[in-house]
Amino acid sequence: DTEVTQTPKHLVMGMTNKKSLKCEQHMGHRAMYWYKQKAKKPPELMFVYSYEKLSINESVPSRFSPECPNSSLLNLHLHALQPEDSALYLCASSQKGGLQETQYFGPGTRLLVL
Amino acid sequence: GNSVTQMEGPVTLSEEAFLTINCTYTATGYPSLFWYVQYPGEGLQLLLKATKADDKGSNKGFEATYRKETTSFHLEKGSVQVSDSAVYFCATNRGSTLGRLYFGRGTQLTVWP
Repeated sequence: DTEVTQTPKHLVMGMTNKKSLKCEQHMGHRAMYWYKQKAKKPPELMFVYSYEKLSINESVPSRFSPECPNSSLLNLHLHALQPEDSALYLCASSQKGGLQETQYFGPGTRLLVL
Repeated sequence: GNSVTQMEGPVTLSEEAFLTINCTYTATGYPSLFWYVQYPGEGLQLLLKATKADDKGSNKGFEATYRKETTSFHLEKGSVQVSDSAVYFCATNRGSTLGRLYFGRGTQLTVWP
């Protein structure tokens, strides 16, 4: 089983709202990732968690707040977003975050900020 | 600088045509190379991968060979189908220990019946 699940599938929020994206995997992976993908562009890395600790933050604005409550779950808390934050948010996981590993992606959450 | 250079699309083919999507990479160490596919409205799916020189990854009729001498990982399929219409991304971890992936720009493939 190489499944990564993400909820919700679609999300519409106003600039004053607070919402959360959720990602889950049951492959025993200890590295999890958040990516942002704009239309017709490749995914851009936002955050990497390794063994439930944040190991990479790609200078993401503080209105995005990641959380890894356990080894299977990854959340992305959203607050005071801007319309330009509208994008597809992809979660991925890999075994440990090391060399020669494959990242497995979820289906994404399509976010629209009004 | 760019880690992955992918041929510019879009690519439009008739069904049963031969497909090549070029990908070259720059990296230190011993990178792994990947092709991901993204169907309309979906996330990325791993299509194939190769972890060392001369390895050939293959899946669903697609193939790519890790060529260290030309730093290339071109994607090929002998006979495309309408259902292969998607965006294809070449990626490398550039030999990094952090598992960070570097993606090419993506190539849109459209196959007509």
